[in-house]
Amino acid sequence: QQKVQQSPESLSVPEGGMASLNCTSSDRNFQYFWWYRQHSGEGPKALMSIFSDGDKKEGRFTAHLNKASLHVSLHIRDSQPSDSALYFCAASERDYGNEKITFGAGTKLTIKP
Amino acid sequence: DPKIIQKPKYLVAVTGSEKILICEQYLGHNAMYWYRQSAKKPLEFMFSYSYQKLMDNQTASSRFQPQSSKKNHLDLQITALKPDDSATYFCASSQDKDWGYEQYFGPGTRLTVL
Repeated sequence: QQKVQQSPESLSVPEGGMASLNCTSSDRNFQYFWWYRQHSGEGPKALMSIFSDGDKKEGRFTAHLNKASLHVSLHIRDSQPSDSALYFCAASERDYGNEKITFGAGTKLTIKP
Repeated sequence: DPKIIQKPKYLVAVTGSEKILICEQYLGHNAMYWYRQSAKKPLEFMFSYSYQKLMDNQTASSRFQPQSSKKNHLDLQITALKPDDSATYFCASSQDKDWGYEQYFGPGTRLTVL
């Protein structure tokens, strides 16, 4: 079983709508979470990180973390066609002073004009 | 200007051959990484380097050897190539290896092994 599981695998949202992506980890050593976005043909790019319980907002993007359930979500409001991409959740743990990051399998988001 | 350069963008190799994937970063970062992405597996961590020193190796095979000739270079040598090695290989870097630093990814090298 993957340590970081994302759902759904794919999601289609109309332009201007709200996209909600989910991520659950199975390892309580994970303490820091990232959302990365990857457009086709490019490398992933970090959107935001979160390590405290609650919400973190950056522009149209809001991440929510519930440490008790090891669940993190990403909500994109007013979705734009340029938001169409593969979204990765990544969980980070400290291992003997080094950071180890584990990526989920990704959610493919399509914004329909 | 691209901050992380990976060369070549596309690479085709025959089974059993050896290839070197090039990565240079111009962000002034102290930590560099290699990841692999294929249709079968999500983004998979391979190696991390900090100040040109190997910090973590998550690849099971010794056929994959990172090489750091300069602080901002981390190449990846792959020997005895197999069709299963076909994937896109991403180089990344971060300011430091410590917890919480954002990793910046290069554009990737897509390797196809025939």
